[in-house]
Amino acid sequence: LAKTTQPISMDSYEGQEVNITCSHNNIATNDYITWYQQFPSQGPRFIIQGYKTKVTNEVASLFIPADRKSSTLSLPRVSLSDTAVYYCLLDGGKLIFGQGTTLQVKP
Amino acid sequence: DVKVTQSSRYLVKRTGEKVFLECVQDMDHENMFWYRQDPGLGLRLIYFSYDVKMKEKGDIPEGYSVSREKKERFSLILESASTNQTSMYLCASTSSDRVMNTEAFFGQGTRLTVV
Repeated sequence: LAKTTQPISMDSYEGQEVNITCSHNNIATNDYITWYQQFPSQGPRFIIQGYKTKVTNEVASLFIPADRKSSTLSLPRVSLSDTAVYYCLLDGGKLIFGQGTTLQVKP
Repeated sequence: DVKVTQSSRYLVKRTGEKVFLECVQDMDHENMFWYRQDPGLGLRLIYFSYDVKMKEKGDIPEGYSVSREKKERFSLILESASTNQTSMYLCASTSSDRVMNTEAFFGQGTRLTVV
């Protein structure tokens, strides 16, 4: 049974901000929320991780509401090279990936 | 600066063969994972190990076993390969206190074809 739910696909244009929301209604107290990015023929790459509120790094921001039942990955000003699959994980020790969201950035 | 290395990029095996997929990491990580990835199904966890000689089943362990005799090496074993095990196999490692994982590093993947 999948622990997270994400949109299967999203389209965007270069220069836009992209927000990908992940639902996790049954998140456990000790679960951290982690996002990975995967390009074709490569393994996933870590983007960002958080527990609550907001986390920001040089690549993205992660917004987590107080109830922690969802989270939103925000990619500022995407480029064509951001076209990839994005995975939301609940990390309580195991790394369980779902199907991910395929983001297509268009010129 | 290679961190996680999988022994083969491409592998072709016959049905019924015993297949070994090897993964080595050089970061002294405690945790190692094996996944398979199939179109439309994302990454599915087969097995993981949080210490030498320790292992836990993931979501799809049937038909697979693992071995972790040394901290840096985690092997995935297909006891009797079948065509439905044709897939991309990915190995990963992390450091953690078993509550949450630090950044996971993945190998380049092994594309296994069973004929």
